[in-house]
Amino acid sequence: QLQLQESGPGLVKPSETLSLTCTVSGGSISSSSYYWGWIRQPPGKGLEWIGSIYYSGSTYYNPSLKSRVTISVDTSKNQFSLKLSSVTAADTAVYYCARHHHVPLMDVWGKGTTVTVSS
Amino acid sequence: EIVMTQSPATLSVSPGERATLSCRASQSVSSNLAWYQQKPGQAPRLLIYGASTRATGIPARFSGSGSGTEFTLTISSLQSEDFAVYYCQQYNNWPSCSFGQGTKLEIK
Repeated sequence: QLQLQESGPGLVKPSETLSLTCTVSGGSISSSSYYWGWIRQPPGKGLEWIGSIYYSGSTYYNPSLKSRVTISVDTSKNQFSLKLSSVTAADTAVYYCARHHHVPLMDVWGKGTTVTVSS
Repeated sequence: EIVMTQSPATLSVSPGERATLSCRASQSVSSNLAWYQQKPGQAPRLLIYGASTRATGIPARFSGSGSGTEFTLTISSLQSEDFAVYYCQQYNNWPSCSFGQGTKLEIK
């Protein structure tokens, strides 16, 4: 059974870079059938797609975040990662990683990890 | 950017009754519309895609309809486990996508 697990610091200072990793188990991140995405949810608010990556390294980003986001993949570790630079309090959220098909239908999700931006 | 607007923000329905949730797109998204269910403290779960196709394992009491800019999620006979927040998502302009702000379905 495919499982995704987010990991990374729960507290990041303003202006610094948020870094998270998603570890995929029970399946290969190199499957040609799927993409791997990051989605976030500020406290009490809705969902926001951040971006996605294909195992080949092709990336797709939300235009509103594109200037600050980098998503990368490490197929040898079955992991993909998120970096969000110049964070502010508005970046405080639960961050989810998810698998999706060639269109962004997220059918397997991680449990989410809370990241707080505060000094 | 395609803006998705869900209504109502909160819907109060009694168990066993029917619930109807709406989602409107700021421009046509054809049938490229999905619905997700999210319970407190959990990740969202994919319910419906292609506006009307149930995802694997989703009970038949969940149905979706609509195309273009107007969409509906109907839950025919509410069970206790159905009380949650529901989000619509458009993926017509992939590689971008956007979610609605959610409808909270609560017990009346």
